[in-house]
Amino acid sequence: GDSVTQMEGPVTLSEEAFLTINCTYTATGYPSLFWYVQYPGEGLQLLLKATKADDKGSNKGFEATYRKETTSFHLEKGSVQVSDSAVYFCALREYGNKLVFGAGTILRVKS
Amino acid sequence: NAGVTQTPKFRVLKTGQSMTLLCAQDMNHEYMYWYRQDPGMGLRLIHYSVGEGTTAKGEVPDGYNVSRLKKQNFLLGLESAAPSQTSVYFCASSSRDRGLAEAFFGQGTRLTVV
Repeated sequence: GDSVTQMEGPVTLSEEAFLTINCTYTATGYPSLFWYVQYPGEGLQLLLKATKADDKGSNKGFEATYRKETTSFHLEKGSVQVSDSAVYFCALREYGNKLVFGAGTILRVKS
Repeated sequence: NAGVTQTPKFRVLKTGQSMTLLCAQDMNHEYMYWYRQDPGMGLRLIHYSVGEGTTAKGEVPDGYNVSRLKKQNFLLGLESAAPSQTSVYFCASSSRDRGLAEAFFGQGTRLTVV
C-alpha cells in the first residue's frame, strides 16, 4: 500500500538556522502531497501542498517541491523561529482518496 | 465558518464501557476520516468514508465501528473500551475534487480508558 517516510526527530535548531525535513513516499498513482503542522495541544493545520510533479508549495516561509523522479517532498525553511516549534507531518492523498501520513517530525527551535 | 467539529473534546472511560465520538463538517465534503494519534506513531487511519452511507476500514479498525448516515456527520463508536484505545482521536474531511485535495481536521478528542 501507499506509505510516507519522514526523517526521525526530534530536530533541534537554533533560531535563524536553515531547516530541512526529509519526506519520501511510495504510491501506485500520482498522489497529491501535503505538509501539515501541529502546534502543542492543537489539531493539524495544512501548511502547504502540491498536486502534481514539479509543483512547489509555499507558505509562511516554508517550501516543498514535488519531485516525482525521487518520490520526495522535502520541507525547507531558510530561517526558523521559536514559534515554528511544532510537529510536522508529511502526507499523501492518492486518487483513491485515502489519506496517508508519515510518523511526524518534532521540531524544537531554541532562542 | 465552523469547519470540522468534534465532540466531546475530553472523555475518561472505564474498561468495557461504550461511547460514540461525533464528527460534524459544514463544508459539504464527500470524504471523512477517523484517525488516532499515539506518541511516536503519527496518525493511523481507523475508518473512512467516501460518501453518505458508505464506510471502509483503514489501518487499525479493530475495536471500532463507524456510521455515515448523513453526509455531514461521521460517528466513531467504541463498543467495549480497552486501555489500548487510550489515544487522541482526530476527524478529518476532504472534497472529492482533486484540485481541492487538502483535508481539514477537527481539534481532536482526548480519550483515556482506565
